[in-house]
Amino acid sequence: EAQVTQNPRYLITVTGKKLTVTCSQNMNHEYMSWYRQDPGLGLRQIYYSMNVEVTDKGDVPEGYKVSRKEKRNFPLILESPSPNQTSLYFCASSLSMGHKGYEQYFGPGTRLTVT
Amino acid sequence: KNEVEQSPQNLTAQEGEFITINCSYSVGISALHWLQQHPGGGIVSLFMLSSGKKKHGRLIATINIQEKHSSLHITASHPRDSAVYICAVSGGGADGLTFGKGTHLIIQP
Repeated sequence: EAQVTQNPRYLITVTGKKLTVTCSQNMNHEYMSWYRQDPGLGLRQIYYSMNVEVTDKGDVPEGYKVSRKEKRNFPLILESPSPNQTSLYFCASSLSMGHKGYEQYFGPGTRLTVT
Repeated sequence: KNEVEQSPQNLTAQEGEFITINCSYSVGISALHWLQQHPGGGIVSLFMLSSGKKKHGRLIATINIQEKHSSLHITASHPRDSAVYICAVSGGGADGLTFGKGTHLIIQP
């Protein structure tokens, strides 16, 4: 089954404790992206990756890191989480991104609470 | 940066009613996406459009490129259609989607 998986689904942590949210897709997609969803603000892009070893900042990258060492995996790293990073996070992938539109596949979401 | 506006923000209707959700954007795009998010749930892609009209079951999506406007219609609405519907656009670059804030739809039995 074609899917995007994220782990963990729920996480409560404390300020400053490094954490990683994993994202994996099994569709051989080139493009992967991380979004956060906040009430009243909607979905906003954090980072994206066009392919292995190619990553770039989205609209709200501060406080986050990513890596793309393998095509299928795109982990999101919070080196020193702060309460303003409490949010619902979605990983997404698509075949590519560019002058044509490509269907987006979203993971199930990770609800993160930083106290 | 594209600006994506959806209307209405909230919509409550009775089962069986015809539903229309609107989306407008400010800058030319390569594609427009309609997404569905159920309470506590993930996000599912309903349609991707670059022109014309698409239909899937009771859902119909249309786009007018010249007017920078799209509509999502639900015919014979049902309580299971209750969800947040999100419009998103891709601009042709590598920087992914720009999202509207969503329309919260409730269908009452």
